[in-house]
Amino acid sequence: DGGITQSPKYLFRKEGQNVTLSCEQNLNHDAMYWYRQDPGQGLRLIYYSQIVNDFQKGDIAEGYSVSREKKESFPLTVTSAQKNPTAFYLCASSNSGDNTGELFFGEGSRLTVL
Amino acid sequence: GQNIDQPTEMTATEGAIVQINCTYQTSGFNGLFWYQQHAGEAPTFLSYNVLDGLEEKGRFSSFLSRSKGYSYLLLKELQMKDSASYLCAVVDSNYQLIWGAGTKLIIKP
Repeated sequence: DGGITQSPKYLFRKEGQNVTLSCEQNLNHDAMYWYRQDPGQGLRLIYYSQIVNDFQKGDIAEGYSVSREKKESFPLTVTSAQKNPTAFYLCASSNSGDNTGELFFGEGSRLTVL
Repeated sequence: GQNIDQPTEMTATEGAIVQINCTYQTSGFNGLFWYQQHAGEAPTFLSYNVLDGLEEKGRFSSFLSRSKGYSYLLLKELQMKDSASYLCAVVDSNYQLIWGAGTKLIIKP
């Protein structure tokens, strides 16, 4: 079955540590996205990539980094520079690079900073 | 600034009909999405409207009025599994996706 897989589902981090969230898709989509979801707020875009080896900052990129070495994979690193990293992180992919196509989301990764 | 407004929470009864409204003020418009998100899970696509009017898909329908900056999601024959948050998102003139905060729908027996 085609889909998008995120791991881990739950992650705990100590302050000062970097953590990497995995996102893999086998839908053959060119576009991939990372969103952050906080209670009472809409989804906020962290980074997106429309093609391999290229990515752009979203609205809240500070303290995060990504790579897109393979079409299938778009990992997100939450660095120690991110001041308030506790959140629910969602990865998504689409066959449309202009946001007019359906987004397919992974199950999400819930990061808690202790 | 760009803004999308949805009610924070709504309550409805099993078997009834509920309408979830979404109003938007964005720089241009290139379509409006509705997604369903159960607690702790990923959002899933419900509908996409780019032209005015009503689109029906089973128990769910979505309406758009571009002149009024308004959309609604209509859910009929409510079932307990419809308890979820419903997210409205608009594609603006720069093809950026702007998300509302979502409406939490509670279904009571």
